[in-house]
Amino acid sequence: ETGVTQSPTHLIKTRGQQVTLRCSSQSGHNTVSWYQQALGQGPQFIFQYYREEENGRGNFPPRFSGLQFPNYSSELNVNALELDDSALYLCASRTGTDPSYNEQFFGPGTRLTVL
Amino acid sequence: AQSVTQPDIHITVSEGASLELRCNYSYGATPYLFWYVQSPGQGLQLLLKYFSGDTLVQGIKGFEAEFKRSQSSFNLRKPSVHWSDAAEYFCAVGAGNNDMRFGAGTRLTVKP
Repeated sequence: ETGVTQSPTHLIKTRGQQVTLRCSSQSGHNTVSWYQQALGQGPQFIFQYYREEENGRGNFPPRFSGLQFPNYSSELNVNALELDDSALYLCASRTGTDPSYNEQFFGPGTRLTVL
Repeated sequence: AQSVTQPDIHITVSEGASLELRCNYSYGATPYLFWYVQSPGQGLQLLLKYFSGDTLVQGIKGFEAEFKRSQSSFNLRKPSVHWSDAAEYFCAVGAGNNDMRFGAGTRLTVKP
């Protein structure tokens, strides 16, 4: 059984560009959540996808969007990149929607640098 | 609004010494509380969680945490630290709307 995987590992973009980050959930998990972790900070919840629908969102602007596919893998898209978008982006998967009941498993993250 | 505060940014302990990492939360109802550990280049790993019941929670790797409602705290403890425990530790609270709120983290350094 493979865990949560994310690609790419590192990415460098310039301000104004668009980026797509990818996440493969752990086998059997139908929920994916995305977090942004700025340097020296804890993760901040971006949004969650359950069965291909967004069903929870944190305080992030609409230029942060996502998709979940029938195999439960997921993408995070960020448009019009800003310098403050530089961060480690973490994906987590679990079964069901409530993180309080079912443990979520995190991937190693994608390090995004915006120049 | 739900929030978590970890007062200590960085803690250094000697190998074999005991450890306590502090976590204070703000939440209107009974909180769901978590402790995670993050090693360099790794994702977050769940150490333990509290939902209800016994206020002393046992986790993996010899860690435990105690929920104290009167103090709004959920401190993480380990009786004897190993060099491999050096990492970043995050306390988190379940915030509804499928959200989790994390503290800013405490970096643990273990001296030989």
